[in-house]
Amino acid sequence: GDSVTQMEGPVTLSEEAFLTINCTYTATGYPSLFWYVQYPGEGLQLLLKATKADDKGSNKGFEATYRKETTSFHLEKGSVQVSDSAVYFCALSANAGGTSYGKLTFGQGTILTVHP
Amino acid sequence: DTAVSQTPKYLVTQMGNDKSIKCEQNLGHDTMYWYKQDSKKFLKIMFSYNNKELIINETVPNRFSPKSPDKAHLNLHINSLELGDSAVYFCASSLKGGGGELFFGEGSRLTVL
Repeated sequence: GDSVTQMEGPVTLSEEAFLTINCTYTATGYPSLFWYVQYPGEGLQLLLKATKADDKGSNKGFEATYRKETTSFHLEKGSVQVSDSAVYFCALSANAGGTSYGKLTFGQGTILTVHP
Repeated sequence: DTAVSQTPKYLVTQMGNDKSIKCEQNLGHDTMYWYKQDSKKFLKIMFSYNNKELIINETVPNRFSPKSPDKAHLNLHINSLELGDSAVYFCASSLKGGGGELFFGEGSRLTVL
């Protein structure tokens, strides 16, 4: 079945450091890929997405590129802030488009803590 | 206005009790979901409804029964609560075939003693 694997956390960085959170996936066909973020005490929010190979999703300084050859969707940010402290989830939707009911398969989440 | 709202946010109860969590969305979406997040933050889908029709039921025990009175509401009733049911339950919604773009509620933390 479909699966998503994220790098183990927690990740602790100083402000302005470079961030990478690795994500790889296993799926049949051509899934859409997502990064969701969960701030403390809140629900998940969509951070960025990519729907086909070589697409780059970006938002709030975060980027991730859909790499079909390596089945990866690594999240990067050039300079993190304290306010980026949260749990980050990589996810896939196996049948994106009109026939999908939006079922997401999530990775295990990576806790990011950014210190001043 | 909260887009996806769940009540209650916190629920503490004894083993064997029955409890419900309510969810409402005001986004006009057709599809609603229940996800369970365990203590290690792992998220797994439980149910999905599209316009009041059950679409996804992911091998969840029969003690869990979702009910969708209309497409804006999806409630979760749990019978005979067990310790292992302790988790955070998230409601979410999306457009039909929303391609994975889900809008989540803030979660309902259930603690079974």
